[in-house]
Amino acid sequence: KNEVEQSPQNLTAQEGEFITINCSYSVGISALHWLQQHPGGGIVSLFMLSSGKKKHGRLIATINIQEKHSSLHITASHPRDSAVYICAPRENGGSQGNLIFGKGTKLSVKP
Amino acid sequence: GAGVSQSPSNKVTEKGKDVELRCDPISGHTALYWYRQSLGQGLEFLIYFQGNSAPDKSGLPSDRFSAERTGGSVSTLTIQRTQQEDSAVYLCASSFDKKTQYFGPGTRLLVL
Repeated sequence: KNEVEQSPQNLTAQEGEFITINCSYSVGISALHWLQQHPGGGIVSLFMLSSGKKKHGRLIATINIQEKHSSLHITASHPRDSAVYICAPRENGGSQGNLIFGKGTKLSVKP
Repeated sequence: GAGVSQSPSNKVTEKGKDVELRCDPISGHTALYWYRQSLGQGLEFLIYFQGNSAPDKSGLPSDRFSAERTGGSVSTLTIQRTQQEDSAVYLCASSFDKKTQYFGPGTRLLVL
């Protein structure tokens, strides 16, 4: 059983569209990371959340601990946002490093 | 400034050989993480170092895998008697606040 489910698995959007990527998890967590993996393989940490909402530029991440759900939103999407977005919760009781990873959502933004 | 670096960037080895993968974290980052990403799979946690504390090795898949971090800086991940299923991209990340992780470019390992 996959403890972290992301949806959709693949997403194609037109430039300017509002994007939502969802992450549901089945375990109790202390925090959740959103990562961005570029086509060349490089990974960038976007957010770490333990509650509420965070915003950075055009990116917004929200989390509902009770519902075990997090969302990543991209406003005014751009082709450079094309990447794989990975949800990575940190399980309660786990060490700081022991994240469990979703399989990722592959986003392609067309000009 | 310099980010996390890893070497080699690519490694091809024969089944049964030992390999060493190196990670140079960002200077001053006390936390260091190793992950791997197998082809078509998600990321998988391997091991976590924090300062001088005992590392969290709970993600290492077998006793053929080991890692050390010398002087709280450079880390080496060693895989003994490599198997074909060890083929993956091995990623290292470091952090100073245990919140934002800075990832290296990865080492692509191919075991023939």
